[in-house]
Amino acid sequence: KNQVEQSPQSLIILEGKNCTLQCNYTVSPFSNLRWYKQDTGRGPVSLTIMTFSENTKSNGRYTATLDADTKQSSLHITASQLSDSASYICVVRSREIKAAGNKLTFGGGTRVLVKP
Amino acid sequence: KAGVTQTPRYLIKTRGQQVTLSCSPISGHRSVSWYQQTPGQGLQFLFEYFSETQRNKGNFPGRFSGRQFSNSRSEMNVSTLELGDSALYLCASSPKTGPYGYTFGSGTRLTVV
Repeated sequence: KNQVEQSPQSLIILEGKNCTLQCNYTVSPFSNLRWYKQDTGRGPVSLTIMTFSENTKSNGRYTATLDADTKQSSLHITASQLSDSASYICVVRSREIKAAGNKLTFGGGTRVLVKP
Repeated sequence: KAGVTQTPRYLIKTRGQQVTLSCSPISGHRSVSWYQQTPGQGLQFLFEYFSETQRNKGNFPGRFSGRQFSNSRSEMNVSTLELGDSALYLCASSPKTGPYGYTFGSGTRLTVV
């Protein structure tokens, strides 16, 4: 069964500090992995997308890594800002042609709170 | 370029009623998918439409249905509402089906009382 597990469920960090979020998946065959940021009451916004051959991708202060061998990804937030307070969702897409649904498996998200 | 527009933003309904939610995708996007998001279950896929045809469906009861119009706008209908249907309903659009980027709308917050 395809699954995406994120950790931690939540974390609190001080403004200006760095943090790393984890995403472990069992989705196979793998197509791509996305990290989304979701502000409270809003829709998710894509931060990065990574395919099998990509190890690292950055978007401003956000850097995502992917280890396709261990099926792990991380999202690193550098020099956190108050506006980084949000939920971060890891979404993995399957290449399975006959997969049910739209081939996306969602993680439960990590809720980040940045305090001044 | 306008984003994905969902209406209404908030909705309160009573049990047993039905509700229709609307989604206008980004201009030129032909694929629209719907998701239910709750604190306990996270994001769950409902269905996906492309060129007015339902391409994929998640594991939801038949009370949940949808359709897509020729202009790619989509509607989602939930009949005989239950308390457990209270959730944020998100719509996402993409240029076509396949491993392409999805752009989400801000969602419709449905509360069933």
